[in-house]
Amino acid sequence: EIVLTQSPGTLSLSPGERATLSCRASQSVSSSYLAWYQQKPGQAPRLLIYGASSRATGIPDRFSGSGSGTDFTLTISRLEPEDFAVYYCQQYGSSPTFGQGTKVEIK
Amino acid sequence: QVQLVQSGAEVKKPGASVKVSCKASGYTFTSYYMHWVRQAPGQGLEWMGIINPSGGSTSYAQKFQGRVTMTRDTSTSTVYMELSSLRSEDTAVYYCARDDGVAAAGHWGQGTLVTVSS
Repeated sequence: EIVLTQSPGTLSLSPGERATLSCRASQSVSSSYLAWYQQKPGQAPRLLIYGASSRATGIPDRFSGSGSGTDFTLTISRLEPEDFAVYYCQQYGSSPTFGQGTKVEIK
Repeated sequence: QVQLVQSGAEVKKPGASVKVSCKASGYTFTSYYMHWVRQAPGQGLEWMGIINPSGGSTSYAQKFQGRVTMTRDTSTSTVYMELSSLRSEDTAVYYCARDDGVAAAGHWGQGTLVTVSS
């Protein structure tokens, strides 16, 4: 099983600031099958990024993903009020797994 | 538009089983695999398994092997997830999510809360 470790656990930032979230895999993620999801309280997860760097339909361009192999990053260039949420990375190879999540909170 | 509508909340006693449904619409049901993912209160997301609605083949996370069964009914475009021998740790929101291959899971059900309590 591929273990995904996200850091930091919590990120305290102000609107307009840049957010950088990390996801490290215990072994290489095949074909960049790495996704990022946003989840708000009481809601289902929302797909932001797939294939490590491709934005899902309707996702604003302030969200970007990068990385390959075992190290991946989600960047939110300028935080909007609606971006404060929990973010999960997921590898979706043969046996998918999720990271434990990073909470982005208002400072 | 793609819609995944799940069944309502359930309360079960320890040792019982629960069966959650996920009705798909807006696309060809048999063309996309379906995942089941759960989330315990205040916790992260946990992948449970996947079903191919076309042939019914399944793959389960090792943690749930022997306790979970995923099935489908092509006549109603519905997938089901049944979890047996329930314990309090199974209290969670259970989600279905359509597998879009390289494009990950872009469509999710609204979630079904299953509470296990004596």
